Amino acid sequence: EVQLVESGGGLVKPGGSLRLSCAASGFTFSSYSMNWVRQAPGKGLEWVSSISSSSSYIYYADSVKGRFTISRDNAKNSLYLQMNSLRAEDTAVYYCARVGTGRSLDYWGQGTLVTVSS
Amino acid sequence: DIQMTQSPSSVSASVGDRVTITCRASQGISSWLAWYQQKPGKAPKLLIYAASSLQSGVPSRFSGSGSGTDFTLTISSLQPEDFATYYCQQANSFPRTFGGGTKVEIK
Repeated sequence: EVQLVESGGGLVKPGGSLRLSCAASGFTFSSYSMNWVRQAPGKGLEWVSSISSSSSYIYYADSVKGRFTISRDNAKNSLYLQMNSLRAEDTAVYYCARVGTGRSLDYWGQGTLVTVSS
Repeated sequence: DIQMTQSPSSVSASVGDRVTITCRASQGISSWLAWYQQKPGKAPKLLIYAASSLQSGVPSRFSGSGSGTDFTLTISSLQPEDFATYYCQQANSFPRTFGGGTKVEIK
């Protein structure tokens, strides 16, 4: 069974940093691209970042470029999102998701809440 | 960036109704489109990929169509468990973008 479990969310002050993790199991993690998607309270879905299976290709939304860094450790079956210079507008539930057939996001984690507030 | 416009933003329907949701891309995306269902407090769930392919385990009352810029998600006979918010997403290019969502509510 495919499982994605995010962790690392919490309350952080504006300008602070946080590192999210996503532990993957039930599939060959090293064979799949992975994404981060976020959802602000009461709002829609926003794509954040994508990383290819070997980390060769990395993309970011303009809203996080230069502040967030996506990475992965295939030996540990883990995906990460390093978030620096956090702003109030980064407050959201952050989901990791696997890229499947047709470049769709076929499996999602349960999400981890990041709150940026003083 | 490719903008995805969903309509309507909300729809009220009854059990057994046929519901159609539209998604329009600001430029052609071939068939690189997915549809997701999200219930309150839960992660999104993939329904349709490649515009018209049904994800494994998803009921056949869900169907997708379209290519290029105009796409449709149809629920042929609405069931109680289908009341949720639906999102389209383009996977043609980066940045990936989602539609604003369509909330399907009980009439």
